[in-house]
Amino acid sequence: AQSVTQPDIHITVSEGASLELRCNYSYGATPYLFWYVQSPGQGLQLLLKYFSGDTLVQGIKGFEAEFKRSQSSFNLRKPSVHWSDAAEYFCAVAPYSSASKIIFGSGTRLSIRP
Amino acid sequence: DSGVTQTPKHLITATGQRVTLRCSPRSGDLSVYWYQQSLDQGLQFLIQYYNGEERAKGNILERFSAQQFPDLHSELNLSSLELGDSALYFCASSATGSRGFGTDTQYFGPGTRLTVL
Repeated sequence: AQSVTQPDIHITVSEGASLELRCNYSYGATPYLFWYVQSPGQGLQLLLKYFSGDTLVQGIKGFEAEFKRSQSSFNLRKPSVHWSDAAEYFCAVAPYSSASKIIFGSGTRLSIRP
Repeated sequence: DSGVTQTPKHLITATGQRVTLRCSPRSGDLSVYWYQQSLDQGLQFLIQYYNGEERAKGNILERFSAQQFPDLHSELNLSSLELGDSALYFCASSATGSRGFGTDTQYFGPGTRLTVL
């Protein structure tokens, strides 16, 4: 069965430190992969997406993610976090052909230590 | 501000009732998507409309229905409400969305928080 796992429910990092949020998926073929951010009281905002090609994807707000087929992973990274990055982060997978099969991870809440 | 508006912001109702949530997409966007976010189920895709027609269906209950009107705004109707329907309901829009889910960036509204008592 298709699934998305975000193993870390809550992560706290110091401002200025590097960040890596983990995402693993289980899917028959290479899916489309996404990272979204949800700030408190807000809707979701797309950070980046991977369809094909270069496995290192650059997104908005200084985020990047790397697709590793051998590990079925799509981890999100940022070299230096800012206090404004505190939010909930969701990884998601979807096949090209059918939106009905999109699956979101359970989310990782990021807190920033001053 | 994503440009997607949702009304109302909050809704409190009783079990067995029916409610309608409204979404206005970004100007020019043809697709509207509805999502449910709850503590139990997490974030789930419900349904997509493209230019007035249903395009894709996710985990939408039979008690729920949606439509997209000629002016492209959309409504999500929830009936025979149960306590478990309490959730945040998001609407998103995208420019086309006609060629599959992943091709368009979706812009999310701020959501409608539904509380069923």
